Amino acid sequence: AQSVSQHNHHVILSEAASLELGCNYSYGGTVNLFWYVQYPGQHLQLLLKYFSGDPLVKGIKGFEAEFIKSKFSFNLRKPSVQWSDTAEYFCAVKNSGGYQKVTFGTGTKLQVIP
Amino acid sequence: NAGVTQTPKFRVLKTGQSMTLLCAQDMNHEYMYWYRQDPGMGLRLIHYSVGEGTTAKGEVPDGYNVSRLKKQNFLLGLESAAPSQTSVYFCASTESGFRNTEAFFGQGTRLTVV
Repeated sequence: AQSVSQHNHHVILSEAASLELGCNYSYGGTVNLFWYVQYPGQHLQLLLKYFSGDPLVKGIKGFEAEFIKSKFSFNLRKPSVQWSDTAEYFCAVKNSGGYQKVTFGTGTKLQVIP
Repeated sequence: NAGVTQTPKFRVLKTGQSMTLLCAQDMNHEYMYWYRQDPGMGLRLIHYSVGEGTTAKGEVPDGYNVSRLKKQNFLLGLESAAPSQTSVYFCASTESGFRNTEAFFGQGTRLTVV
């Protein structure tokens, strides 16, 4: 069975600090990888996705993530965070074959202090 | 373009009462999912469907039933609500089968069981 681990549960940063959120998954086959963001009181929105090709993917609002297959990782990065990035971030993995069930990590709450 | 719509958005139930949550999508997606979101636990899959007339159990199916009588609708039922089912419920949908796609989410239903 596939699983996703997000090791940072709560991160507090000052504005302009750099961000890196860890995500590791366990699945032996080909996967699709996602980062979703949930702003306070809202539903989940797609931040970025990896399906194939260039392992460095760029998403909305200056976020990017790097897929490192050998480490089963898909870490999220942003060079300089803003107060408006305060949200909860979820990593998700979907196997690209079979019935394509999406599995989410437990989430990382990011608090950006002005 | 509505995407994924959930009704109701809020509900308070007494222990033992029943209710049905409705999820509707207008993207002609084959796959639909019901998740619950609890603090510190991320999103956990309750049930999912890979097409009209099909349903399958996810990680936490106990106490819930689902039906997919029409392709665009996925219903989640609580036959006898318990306080442990207090949560935020999200519906999601994805395209069918073997294409690489993302999940689209509804706005969520906040359910409180007293």
